[in-house]
Parts: sequence; structure tokens; C-alpha cells
Amino acid sequence: AQTVTQSQPEMSVQEAETVTLSCTYDTSESDYYLFWYKQPPSRQMILVIRQEAYKQQNATENRFSVNFQKAAKSFSLKISDSQLGDAAMYFCAYIRNAGNMLTFGGGTRLMVKP
Amino acid sequence: DAGITQSPRHKVTETGTPVTLRCHQTENHRYMYWYRQDPGHGLRLIHYSYGVKDTDKGEVSDGYSVSRSKTEDFLLTLESATSSQTSVYFCAISEDIAGGRNTQYFGPGTRLTVL
Repeated sequence: AQTVTQSQPEMSVQEAETVTLSCTYDTSESDYYLFWYKQPPSRQMILVIRQEAYKQQNATENRFSVNFQKAAKSFSLKISDSQLGDAAMYFCAYIRNAGNMLTFGGGTRLMVKP
Repeated sequence: DAGITQSPRHKVTETGTPVTLRCHQTENHRYMYWYRQDPGHGLRLIHYSYGVKDTDKGEVSDGYSVSRSKTEDFLLTLESATSSQTSVYFCAISEDIAGGRNTQYFGPGTRLTVL
């Protein structure tokens, strides 16, 4: 069975600084996708970024980028120029190609200090 | 944002009563999913649908049933609610295209409390 682990229950960052959230996963599959979702206090699950395992290039979306290390099964999220609106729970998630079930990590609560 | 709505957004009910949650999409996506989220956890899959009248079980399906009579609607039913089903329920959708199938977009969630 696939597992996703987020080892940092809480992180904090100063506004305008950079923070990195960690995620590791375990799978025997070679073709899969990884995601970071943001859940603000509104409870909405918002897709932040997606990485296809077959792509070596790390995904980037504006201030958000990932460091995908397939051999190490590591998938970290870097948030640059942190903003107050980035404060939220962040969940790392995995799905095998053509699978139906997203497997989520336990989440990391990010606090942004003004 | 994906066109997904869930109703009701909040519900309080008593143990033993039936409850139905509705997910409605305007994206005409083939795949629809129901997840639950419990404190301190990510989401866990309850049931999913891969087309009208086509559904299957997920990781935590006991005590839940689903139905999909139209592409746009996916219903989750708790036949006899229990306190252990107090949770936040999320609907998600994904497209039937290469790669797109794997990306799920979520609705706003329904907070259900079973007393």
C-alpha cells in the first residue's frame, strides 16, 4: 500500500521569506502523480501544484515550486516570498497513474508571521 | 475554480437517522469521488464513480452508499448515521483525458455532525 508522510506538523515563516515543506512517500509503482493541496481556514482544498513522476523537471507555479527526488521518494514544496495568505494547512498527496484514490499525508500547518 | 457545489454545507443530525449529501458539478467530468476528512488527517476515499450508474468502493466505504443517476450529480447516503461518521465530507471530480484523470478538484466540503 502507498503511504505519504509529512514529518513537519507545523512550520512558520516570516512574511517575504522562503519556506520548504517536506513530504516523503512509499510506492512500488513507477508511474504516478504527486500533488500539494492547500487548505485555508475556509476548509476548501485548493490544488497548488502537480508533478508527473515521468517528468524529471520540477514543477513550478508562480511562487510555488517543488523538489522532486524520485529515487529518494521525496517531494518537497518551496514557497518563495511568503505572503499572509499562504497561511494554511498543506497536504501532500499521491495517486498512481489511472488510479482512483488520492493518498494524503497528515498535513503541515504553515503560519506566516508579519 | 472547478464548478463543484455541495449541499448542505452544514448538517447536524441524530444517531440512527438517514442522511444524504449531494455533490453537483457543472464541468461534465466523468469521474466523481467522495472523501471524508477527520481531525489531524488528510482525506480518505469513501466511494467513487466512473460514469452514470457506475460506482465502486474506496478505502472507508462501510456504512455509506452512493448513487449517480446523472453525470452532474453524485449522492452520498448514510443509511443510519453513527457518531463515528461525524466528519467533513468532500466531493471531487476529474476529467477523462490522459493525465487529467489523475488530477482531482475538490468541492467546498460539508460538515456533518452526528449527535
